[in-house]
Amino acid sequence: AQKVTQAQTEISVVEKEDVTLDCVYETRDTTYYLFWYKQPPSGELVFLIRRNSFDEQNEISGRYSWNFQKSTSSFNFTITASQVVDSAVYFCALMTTSGTYKYIFGTGTRLKVLA
Amino acid sequence: SQTIHQWPATLVQPVGSPLSLECTVEGTSNPNLYWYRQAAGRGLQLLFYSVGIGQISSEVPQNLSASRPQDRQFILSSKKLLLSDSGFYLCAFRGPTSTDTQYFGPGTRLTVL
Repeated sequence: AQKVTQAQTEISVVEKEDVTLDCVYETRDTTYYLFWYKQPPSGELVFLIRRNSFDEQNEISGRYSWNFQKSTSSFNFTITASQVVDSAVYFCALMTTSGTYKYIFGTGTRLKVLA
Repeated sequence: SQTIHQWPATLVQPVGSPLSLECTVEGTSNPNLYWYRQAAGRGLQLLFYSVGIGQISSEVPQNLSASRPQDRQFILSSKKLLLSDSGFYLCAFRGPTSTDTQYFGPGTRLTVL
């Protein structure tokens, strides 16, 4: 079975704090892709990052960084020095290359950054 | 560049009325197309996906249907809306290559009264 778990339903931080959003996935496939999307209050899902299962290098993009660890089946997302504009719901997703290439989404983590 | 459009942006409909939501994609050919629904404060539920014209797969049996009359057009319909159909409807597309990323449209907020 394929599954994505985002155990944190809601997180509140004060501006400038660092915050990590957890994502744990389950799949038996050896080739798969992991994604993070941001859903601001406007509603549209914005693509943030994609990683494939053969690339475990961590990635940094400005204040955003991602830690992919196959050993723990985790793909965590850290925001450094959070800002109010980071307030949104963040979704982690999994796509495997077997079957129909459907995305399996987690239930999302709502991040509130307080000024 | 690739873009995706959805309309209308918001819709208020009475129970029992029909529904038609439209999604169009530009800048790509033979995309995979998806309809998702998001209930208030909830996650994403995949409703339908299509890998080509006239090819529709349903994920959840319900009173909704989908059609793909053209390569880059995806329509979500209902003959009679239920209160439980209220939600945020998102269309998404992915390029035809298996490794392409899925991108989402701006969504339609539907309220059934």
